Amino acid sequence: EAGVVQSPRYKIIEKKQPVAFWCNPISGHNTLYWYLQNLGQGPELLIRYENEEAVDDSQLPKDRFSAERLKGVDSTLKIQPAELGDSAVYLCASSQAARGYNEQFFGPGTRLTVL
Amino acid sequence: AQKVTQAQTEISVVEKEDVTLDCVYETRDTTYYLFWYKQPPSGELVFLIRRNSFDEQNEISGRYSWNFQKSTSSFNFTITASQVVDSAVYFCALSGGTNAGKSTFGDGTTLTVKP
Repeated sequence: EAGVVQSPRYKIIEKKQPVAFWCNPISGHNTLYWYLQNLGQGPELLIRYENEEAVDDSQLPKDRFSAERLKGVDSTLKIQPAELGDSAVYLCASSQAARGYNEQFFGPGTRLTVL
Repeated sequence: AQKVTQAQTEISVVEKEDVTLDCVYETRDTTYYLFWYKQPPSGELVFLIRRNSFDEQNEISGRYSWNFQKSTSSFNFTITASQVVDSAVYFCALSGGTNAGKSTFGDGTTLTVKP
């Protein structure tokens, strides 16, 4: 069974440029998460989807970040424009359902560097 | 609000030593779930174990064991006879309650096992 796929693995851009990250969750997993991970810290939730619906986006900086999961499968996270402080690892995870007991399966992440 | 504290930022041991990683959590929920994840240098978080708030039995899986104590709000992780391959960042996470699908992660403990 394929795991969570993310692309690209690395991205270097200049500030004020747009950037997009893509995630394909494990087949059959209805819940998809986007996390931000700064160096030396744990993952912080940006947005959580249940199927196509964003059910928790309270931590998503909506002035510059956007996300979509149009068909309830893969998802795209976008930043426009990027700022220096956005440099971090962006993790995607999926689980069978948004129940507290479900473990999450993580992708390898996208390491973003904003110059 | 939920909170997870991993007070040990970094731990270094020599191979074959036993090591315990501490995790202290805060929650007002009566039903909740605790997790441990491992993040090797490759970057992908891997699920290790889940515990629910009603099950305080300790668990052992090979060289890994977990000690859950509600009285002290702790969920500690012990690796017996550590190996170099155990070197990674270990995260403790908490979910459940009113926002069941959301996990709160600690900042992780970096374990280095030297040969």
